[in-house]
Amino acid sequence: EVQLLESGGGLVQPGGSLRLSCAASGFPLRSYAMSWVRQAPGKGLEWLSTISGSGGSTWYADSVKGRFTISRDNSKNTLYLQMNSLRAEDTAVYYCAKGDFWSGIDYWGQGTLVTVSS
Amino acid sequence: QSALTQPASVSGSPGQTITISCTGTSSDVGGYNYVFWFQQHPGKAPKLMIYEVSNRPSGVSNRFSGSKSGNTASLTISGLQAEDEADYYCSSYTSSSTPYVFGTGTKVTVL
Repeated sequence: EVQLLESGGGLVQPGGSLRLSCAASGFPLRSYAMSWVRQAPGKGLEWLSTISGSGGSTWYADSVKGRFTISRDNSKNTLYLQMNSLRAEDTAVYYCAKGDFWSGIDYWGQGTLVTVSS
Repeated sequence: QSALTQPASVSGSPGQTITISCTGTSSDVGGYNYVFWFQQHPGKAPKLMIYEVSNRPSGVSNRFSGSKSGNTASLTISGLQAEDEADYYCSSYTSSSTPYVFGTGTKVTVL
């Protein structure tokens, strides 16, 4: 059974940093691209970033390019999202997801809430 | 890259057929078959319902079908059931600097 478990969310001040983690199980992580998607309270889905199975290729939304960094450690079956220079508008539930924009995102984690506020 | 355009809401009675549209441009929906549809119930993670325009993942009811014409993709739900009440999002690969975009979302209400 595919499972994705996010952690690392919480309250952070504007300008601060946070690193999200996603523990993956039930499939060979190294064989799949992985993505992060967020959803602000009461709003729609926003794709943030995708990383290839090897980690050699990454893609970012313009809204987070230069502030967020996606990475993975296949030996630890873990996906990461380093978030810097956080703004109030980054407040959202952040989802870890298996797949990309070509193969489709077929599994999602339960999400972790990030709140950016002073 | 702007979000793909979906109607804010669609409703229907049990047993009816409804269609949700997803309008983009030739740089996304119209130019590629990497169009996907997701269902999201309140407080839950999204679920993939359709991939590559018209394919259903294993386990998804055949009451759900997808299609595309020009720059507009569509999700059709036939034999509408109470459990279909949810938010639905389309998404597409794009050739812009942001390679993936979601639609604005459609709330489906079963009357």
